[in-house]
Amino acid sequence: EIVMTQSPATLSVSPGERATLSCRASQSVSSNLAWYQQKPGQAPRLLIYGASTRATGIPARFSGSGSGTEFTLTISGLQSEDFAVYYCQQYNNWYSFGQGTKLEI
Amino acid sequence: QLQLQESGPGLVKPSETLSLTCSVSGGSISRSSYYWGWIRQPPGKGLEWIASIYYTGRTYYNPSLKSRVTTSVDTSKNQFSLSLSSVTAADTAVYYCARPYGPQQLVPFDSWGQGALVTVSS
Repeated sequence: EIVMTQSPATLSVSPGERATLSCRASQSVSSNLAWYQQKPGQAPRLLIYGASTRATGIPARFSGSGSGTEFTLTISGLQSEDFAVYYCQQYNNWYSFGQGTKLEI
Repeated sequence: QLQLQESGPGLVKPSETLSLTCSVSGGSISRSSYYWGWIRQPPGKGLEWIASIYYTGRTYYNPSLKSRVTTSVDTSKNQFSLSLSSVTAADTAVYYCARPYGPQQLVPFDSWGQGALVTVSS
């Protein structure tokens, strides 16, 4: 099983600033890495796949980078609707998710 | 527009079998080539993939749950189902059905149901 570890667990950022979230895989997942956003009471929303490709309808302020075992999700110019929990997911070997990073104001 | 809707009992007794169905509208399970997925989320915790099923019935399972999971597809009703046996309190979770963004492969999910909370308790 590939274990995904996200850091930090909680990130406090002010609106308008930039947030950087990290995800590490226990072994290489190539570029088979996705990011999701989840708000309370809602299903997850796919943001990024292929480590850096934005899903349909995702604003350009969301960007992903990395390959192998180290990945980053960057959110530039944070807006109020961006405060949520973010999960990374590898799909190189079945699926596994990180434990999440809560982005708070 | 594709819509997925989970249904099933909200309360299951320990040691019994949890059964859920996902009804798909706005798209045909049998005329598409997707691996339809089940994912769960215990209250206040993270996401766990359970299984992914093709319209032919071919299924990929999370190895940690495989011994307790059964899946099926009913193309006439445009539904797919999940059964999880010998449940314990640790199986209490919101259960989601979902479709990946691309066909014929295990890739991220871009369409999700609203989720169904299943509580395991006597």
